[in-house]
Amino acid sequence: QKEVEQDPGPLSVPEGAIVSLNCTYSNSAFQYFMWYRQYSRKGPELLMYTYSSGNKEDGRFTAQVDKSSKYISLFIRDSQPSDSATYLCAMIDPRDKIIFGKGTRLHILP
Amino acid sequence: DAMVIQNPRYQVTQFGKPVTLSCSQTLNHNVMYWYQQKSSQAPKLLFHYYDKDFNNEADTPDNFQSRRPNTSFCFLDIRSPGLGDAAMYLCATSEKHLPNEKLFFGSGTQLSVL
Repeated sequence: QKEVEQDPGPLSVPEGAIVSLNCTYSNSAFQYFMWYRQYSRKGPELLMYTYSSGNKEDGRFTAQVDKSSKYISLFIRDSQPSDSATYLCAMIDPRDKIIFGKGTRLHILP
Repeated sequence: DAMVIQNPRYQVTQFGKPVTLSCSQTLNHNVMYWYQQKSSQAPKLLFHYYDKDFNNEADTPDNFQSRRPNTSFCFLDIRSPGLGDAAMYLCATSEKHLPNEKLFFGSGTQLSVL
């Protein structure tokens, strides 16, 4: 079983829709959870950083962590064409190393 | 206002010809990382520096080397690039060691090997 699983997509949604992106993980010792956005041929950019279970909101973005299910989500409200990118989930393992998912490609259709 | 700057953005090299990629940062962060990312894959950590202390990942090939002459600059040297080394190479920094730190990435260098 891979440490971090993420559906590669592509996920296509119409502009204005709510987007839901998800990752599952296998190691219950993971404590820190992140979402990165990566535009084509660019480096990842940190969007959300959470420590505990529950929700964290920042503008149109909400990160959700469910440690009991080993499941994290990123919701994007009022999606815009500029949100089209690859979204990488990431988490920090007990050795303090970041484990990235492979990313989900998202297309927002105008 | 770029904080982590990678040069060049695109690099083409020949099979077996040494190549050097560079990274500079204006954040004065202690830790600098080099990641390799292949198409549709997760970034893979090659090594990192905490100040001048070099930390190599166990599965990083000997073909990959790094230098950090000062706080601001870090270089990735590929001694004899193979076709399998074609990838995006990402430099990142953090103020201190994880986990209570955030990573800042550069825009990457896309390496092609002919």
